[in-house]
Parts: sequence; C-alpha cells; structure tokens
Amino acid sequence: DIQMTQSPSPLSASVGDRVTITCRASQSVSSHLNWYQQKQGRPPKVLIYAASSLQSGVPSRFSGSGSGTNFTLTISSLQPEDFATYFCQQSYRTPYTFGQGTKLDIK
Amino acid sequence: QVQLVQSGAEVKKPGASVMVSCRPSGYTFTAYYIHWVRQAPGQGLEWMGWLDPQSGGTNYAQNFQGRVTMTRDTSISTVYMELSRLTSDDTAVYFCARAIRGAVGVFDPWGQGTLVTVSS
Repeated sequence: DIQMTQSPSPLSASVGDRVTITCRASQSVSSHLNWYQQKQGRPPKVLIYAASSLQSGVPSRFSGSGSGTNFTLTISSLQPEDFATYFCQQSYRTPYTFGQGTKLDIK
Repeated sequence: QVQLVQSGAEVKKPGASVMVSCRPSGYTFTAYYIHWVRQAPGQGLEWMGWLDPQSGGTNYAQNFQGRVTMTRDTSISTVYMELSRLTSDDTAVYFCARAIRGAVGVFDPWGQGTLVTVSS
C-alpha cells in the first residue's frame, strides 16, 4: 500500500496568515493527489484534486502543487472558517490511502 | 443538488454483522461509482472499497476482503455496505461518497456518516 505522511501536525496559525501543509507519498503517485477539509462532526469535503485543480465552489485562497511524491496545500490568507483538519489522499492506486491529517487551530 | 443520505446509527455485538445504506439523489444513480470510507473515533480516514452502480462490480480493500460486501438496488437507487464478524476495532463512522466526474478515486460529495458501535 502507498503510505501518505503529512506535516506538520498539528499546526497553529492566525487569521490572515499564509499556511502550507505538506504531504509525502511513499512512492510516486504522479499527480493523483487530493486534499480534503473536515470540520468537527462533519464529513470531509474535497478542496483540491489532481494535485492542483480547485474543486468547484472552493475559495481561490486554497491552492495545491506538487507531483511524484511531494505535494503542498497552501491557504493564502487564513479565514476563521478554515480552522479544521486537512487530509491528503492518493488516488493513483487502490487501496486509496489518506494521510494522518493536519489539525489547523487558532494560535 | 447532489446529496447522499445514509441510514441511522447502529449498535452491534461482537461477531454480528451490520448493513449501512446510502441513497444518492440529484443525479443519474448509475453514472458514478460509490465509495465507502470509515473513520474510527478521533482517527484518520480508511478507504474500504468502491461499487459501480451500473454493473454491480466492486473493488474491496485487502484489509476488508472476506468481511465486506457492497451491493446496490437500482430500483430504489440505493447502495448497501455490509460488514461481518464485527469487533470493537470496527467501531467507527462509516461514510459513503460519490466519485467526481472524470476521477474515480476522488470523493465528493459525502454522506452524513453512520456511527456503528460494536460493544458487548
């Protein structure tokens, strides 16, 4: 199975900050890397798919980059509603696997 | 709009089976794969497998092979996930999720989740 490792975990930041979350795959997943946001008690919601494609309806302050084994999710200017847990997920090969999650909380 | 509605919470004893249903709406039922993902309390996300509602074909994660069965009833546009031989390690919220257009392995939207508690 492809192992996904996120850093940092957890992450503290302030409203207005630019934050970056990193995801590393144990082997190349090409560009088949997706990012999800999950708020407490809610299902996850996809933000970015195929490494850098913004899902419809997601604010443009979210962006993704990378290929192969190293990927990043960037939030350009944190808003209060962005404090949540973020997961990366590879869709290159089954079993699809997720990172352990990065909890983003208020500094 | 596209919506997936799941069945309610379940409490089961060790060794029993549980069946969770998922009813999508707002699109053609047979057009998109449905995935099942679970999340143990305070833990991460674990993919269990997918079902093709058109053919009934499935792909299960090795961790669940022999214990999970995913089926569908096209007459009522509903997908089912049955997990057998439950242990306390199966206590989790179980989500169904639709694949997005053009990307089988990307999940959106998700159902609201079904809490399955395994306890003697």
